[in-house]
Amino acid sequence: GESVGLHLPTLSVQEGDNSIINCAYSNSASDYFIWYKQESGKGPQFIIDIRSNMDKRQGQRVTVLLNKTVKHLSLQIAATQPGDSAVYFCAENTGGFKTIFGAGTRLFVKA
Amino acid sequence: KAGVTQTPRYLIKTRGQQVTLSCSPISGHRSVSWYQQTPGQGLQFLFEYFSETQRNKGNFPGRFSGRQFSNSRSEMNVSTLELGDSALYLCASSLVSGSRSTEAFFGQGTRLTVV
Repeated sequence: GESVGLHLPTLSVQEGDNSIINCAYSNSASDYFIWYKQESGKGPQFIIDIRSNMDKRQGQRVTVLLNKTVKHLSLQIAATQPGDSAVYFCAENTGGFKTIFGAGTRLFVKA
Repeated sequence: KAGVTQTPRYLIKTRGQQVTLSCSPISGHRSVSWYQQTPGQGLQFLFEYFSETQRNKGNFPGRFSGRQFSNSRSEMNVSTLELGDSALYLCASSLVSGSRSTEAFFGQGTRLTVV
C-alpha cells in the first residue's frame, strides 16, 4: 500500500542527549506533514506539524525540519528523556482527506 | 474535553464472521478516519469520512466498509473475517480546514483477534 518512510528502524540514545528521527516521503505533492508519538498500548499522539511553505518549526523540546528538495523530514528531540521512549511516525497529507503514515521509528532512551 | 472513544477495546472473532467497530470523535470534530495497524505493515489508511460521506479510501478489499452518522460518530465493518485481519484498528478525529483534515486525534484502538 501507500507509505511514507522506511521500515521500522530503532534508535537508541542516552538520556539527556539529542535525538534525530528521519523520514523520507514519496509524494512531492504533499504539503502538510505531521509527527506522531505512539506509546505502548495507546493510539498515536500528535507532536508537531509543518506545512510545505516552511523549512523548520519548533515546539517544546522538538524541532521538525523539512527538506522538500530531497523529500526528507526529520524530528529533533532535545535533551531526550525516558518518557520519550516510543514509536515515532511521520505522516503526510496532500491536501485532502487522506493522511499517509510512515512505518515508524522506535526510540529507546537509556537511563 | 473528552477524547476519541473507541468500542470495544478488545474483540475475538472466528474466521468468516463479521465485526462492527465504533468510534465517537471529539466533540466538534466532523472528520473521522480509520487505520489498521499491524506489526508488519504499520499504520495503513482505511478510509475517512466527513459530513457522512466517505471522502477517501485506502487500498483495502470491499470487505472493509464504514459509515458516519449525522452526529459524526462512525462505524467500520469487516465482513467474512480472515486471520490476516487481526490488528489494532485505530480511529482518529480531526477538524477540517478548507478542504483538508488537520491534525488527527486518535483513540486507543480496538484490538481485533481473528481465530
